Amino acid sequence: DQQVKQNSPSLSVQEGRISILNCDYTNSMFDYFLWYKKYPAEGPTFLISISSIKDKNEDGRFTVFLNKSAKHLSLHIVPSQPGDSAVYFCAASDLGGADGLTFGKGTHLIIQP
Amino acid sequence: AAGVIQSPRHLIKEKRETATLKCYPIPRHDTVYWYQQGPGQDPQFLISFYEKMQSDKGSIPDRFSAQQFSDYHSELNMSSLELGDSALYFCASSFEGQQPQHFGDGTRLSIL
Repeated sequence: DQQVKQNSPSLSVQEGRISILNCDYTNSMFDYFLWYKKYPAEGPTFLISISSIKDKNEDGRFTVFLNKSAKHLSLHIVPSQPGDSAVYFCAASDLGGADGLTFGKGTHLIIQP
Repeated sequence: AAGVIQSPRHLIKEKRETATLKCYPIPRHDTVYWYQQGPGQDPQFLISFYEKMQSDKGSIPDRFSAQQFSDYHSELNMSSLELGDSALYFCASSFEGQQPQHFGDGTRLSIL
């Protein structure tokens, strides 16, 4: 049973436009959410995170929105750049201390020139 | 900045053999996590250690064991290897069990 769901396996966006990646979760115990970016042959790289007490967190071109009642979060990248082409993983934790992350299956973002 | 170091990067084994994967966390990080990622799959959490004690346990098979040493590096020991163990194994580290976790580049294990 997939507790973190990324329903779009791939997404194509034109350079300079906004990329919106979505993530849904089912476990109400999750209270901390992270986005990771992954290039081939490399490990996931941490991008941005959000605690369940917030509904928005921003870092440069990246903004994460959390809708706790809908159990939904999204990552906005604006403007999108060619280097943003990668697989993006949504992950969740219940902040219990040294807890493992539960990942979604990832969304492959392709930025078109 | 120093990152998480995993060794070896690639490992080829045969069925029923054993394998040991090593992970060196970011300096001053005292928490280590292990994940397994099969082809086309999301990373699955295996086990974590904080201050050399097992902290959380995920879907780690009984054939696998792990430990964290006094210098905070960790080793994942895998025995009676099966074809299904072929995967990318990631190690991550963090400070005092807090998020975010920072990942190494993984060890690709292939079972023939």
